[in-house]
Amino acid sequence: DAMVIQNPRYQVTQFGKPVTLSCSQTLNHNVMYWYQQKSSQAPKLLFHYYDKDFNNEADTPDNFQSRRPNTSFCFLDIRSPGLGDAAMYLCAVLSSTDTQYFGPGTRLTVL
Amino acid sequence: AQSVAQPEDQVNVAEGNPLTVKCTYSVSGNPYLFWYVQYPNRGLQFLLKYITGDNLVKGSYGFEAEFNKSQTSFHLKKPSALVSDSALYFCAVSASGALNFGKGTSLLVTP
Repeated sequence: DAMVIQNPRYQVTQFGKPVTLSCSQTLNHNVMYWYQQKSSQAPKLLFHYYDKDFNNEADTPDNFQSRRPNTSFCFLDIRSPGLGDAAMYLCAVLSSTDTQYFGPGTRLTVL
Repeated sequence: AQSVAQPEDQVNVAEGNPLTVKCTYSVSGNPYLFWYVQYPNRGLQFLLKYITGDNLVKGSYGFEAEFNKSQTSFHLKKPSALVSDSALYFCAVSASGALNFGKGTSLLVTP
């Protein structure tokens, strides 16, 4: 059974048009992460939540925002996507055994 | 800073032969080390981790890794490679709860 679910799997948006990516978990764990992975690169942490406490990485652009309305759901909002924001966006959850489990990712295309 | 390095961009191996994907680490204190695999357009799948205990760690799909403190290495191994093992492999170290990834190594197993 899927533990971390991301929707949609593929998202196409236009330059400058706001977009929201969704992540949900069935594990009821406190810590959730958003990573950005550009083509042929390693995933890069954007921010993470410890419960409702939001932790932004220092180099995450202001264009990226996040919401976590409850333990199960977390959203990534890109306010004005640029061509350079085209990437795979990965959501992860930290398990009780200190292991991060990832969702299948959302591939974002910006036209 | 906690970091890992993967010195090889690509590893080629014939099906049935043993495979090794290399990873070295640089950490302060005791390292939490991980291996993940990524298939095209998919999220990262957890293979195995080292936190403490036996230096030889066994993971999913027949993979194992050996933690070597004197060489600061955590190489991923499999005794007999399968064509289906062809994928992108990431080594990672836990840093304040987040993961710092290596650049990734593309494994190609040929029939």
